[in-house]
Amino acid sequence: GQSLEQPSEVTAVEGAIVQINCTYQTSGFYGLSWYQQHDGGAPTFLSYNALDGLEETGRFSSFLSRSDSYGYLLLQELQMKDSASYFCAVEDSNYQLIWGAGTKLIIKP
Amino acid sequence: GAGVSQSPRYKVTKRGQDVALRCDPISGHVSLYWYRQALGQGPEFLTYFNYEAQQDKSGLPNDRFSAERPEGSISTLTIQRTEQRDSAMYRCASSLLGGLAEEGPYNEQFFGPGTRLTVL
Repeated sequence: GQSLEQPSEVTAVEGAIVQINCTYQTSGFYGLSWYQQHDGGAPTFLSYNALDGLEETGRFSSFLSRSDSYGYLLLQELQMKDSASYFCAVEDSNYQLIWGAGTKLIIKP
Repeated sequence: GAGVSQSPRYKVTKRGQDVALRCDPISGHVSLYWYRQALGQGPEFLTYFNYEAQQDKSGLPNDRFSAERPEGSISTLTIQRTEQRDSAMYRCASSLLGGLAEEGPYNEQFFGPGTRLTVL
């Protein structure tokens, strides 16, 4: 079957750095995406990795290791507005996005 | 339009009634996706279209669910003879290039605000 594993909840302090891990097992792989979803809102795109390595976009970075079927999202200089759920999603061989259950990020002042 | 829109935003219906949920994607987007999302969970894939062609409907839970996109733009997800277990947030997303992720631009999906369906 297809599955993505990510922690259900992570807690961090404002200004700190946090890493959200994602491991996957899917039929085919084109890329790993990360989406952010605030309570009551729609998912919004953050990043995409098709190749191994680190992609940086401002305070957010995303990493992929295809050989390990593993990726992570790194959030730096955390702000209270970063409190949200973060989803990893794999684009499989059918061009579908297979989603993880999400990681709720709680930020404390 | 500026973004993906969905209507209605909220729908309350009685068990056994049919409902139709509408999605208006971003103009020019090739692909349109339907998801169902339970509280505290990630989106669950239902079906998707490239232009007017339904590419994959393997995620539709049963034959009470159907979707169409007759002119390659607006799409309708129809649930017949609704049941209480159908209550959920139904989300639509569109993407520019569809399944062309192997090389070049990726398949970023833009989500609409969702339709909250409650079946009594």
